[in-house]
Amino acid sequence: AQSVTQLGSHVSVSEGALVLLRCNYSSSVPPYLFWYVQYPNQGLQLLLKYTSAATLVKGINGFEAEFKKSETSFHLTKPSAHMSDAAEYFCAVSGGSNYKLTFGKGTLLTVNP
Amino acid sequence: DADVTQTPRNRITKTGKRIMLECSQTKGHDRMYWYRQDPGLGLRLIYYSFDVKDINKGEISDGYSVSRQAQAKFSLSLESAIPNQTALYFCATSDLRTTTREQFFGPGTRLTVL
Repeated sequence: AQSVTQLGSHVSVSEGALVLLRCNYSSSVPPYLFWYVQYPNQGLQLLLKYTSAATLVKGINGFEAEFKKSETSFHLTKPSAHMSDAAEYFCAVSGGSNYKLTFGKGTLLTVNP
Repeated sequence: DADVTQTPRNRITKTGKRIMLECSQTKGHDRMYWYRQDPGLGLRLIYYSFDVKDINKGEISDGYSVSRQAQAKFSLSLESAIPNQTALYFCATSDLRTTTREQFFGPGTRLTVL
C-alpha cells in the first residue's frame, strides 16, 4: 500500500521568501516520487520527479526537492518565491508493479506582494 | 506537439442523465487513467487501462464505467449522474517503455450535476 501526506493545505509566503511545501510518503517498496503543480483553471504539470537516482532533484521554475529515506519525506523548496508561483501543488507516490500514482490532498500556495 | 485532450471542457447536466467524457492522446502511450479532483481531497483514481483489453477499477469506480476504444481513446461514462459526481475530471497517460512512471495530464473536464 502507498500513501502521501501533505502537511498544510494552505501555505502563504511573501514574494522573495523561501517556499517550503512538505510531503511525507508511505510505500512498502522503493518509491517513485513526484511533485505536480496546478495553476488556476489548468491541468497538472510535472515540476520534478525522484526515480532513485540523485536524492536532490531539481525541477522547473527554480524548484527542487530532496528525497530523505530515513524521514520518508520529499519536501519541495524554492529559495525565493515569485508571484507566478501561486498555485496548488500535489505530491504523488508510485511503488510496486501497478504503476499507479497516489496523490496527496494538495497544498495551495499563496504569494503576497 | 503530442498531447492529451479532453472533451467537453465544461458540462452541466441534470440528475439521472447519462454523460460521457472523452479523452484522446497523440503521445503513443499505452496506459491511460481517469481521475476526479474534489477540493481538499486531491486526485482520486477512478479507472485505469494498460492496453485496449485491460481495464481496471481504481479506488472510486462505483457509479462510473469506461471504454478503451483504441490505444489513443479512453472514455468515462456516468450512467445516471448524481450531484455528488460534480467534480473536475482528468485523463492522464503514461508510457510503458519508460521507467519513470510519470503521468501526463489533460486539461480537465469540469462537470456539474444539478
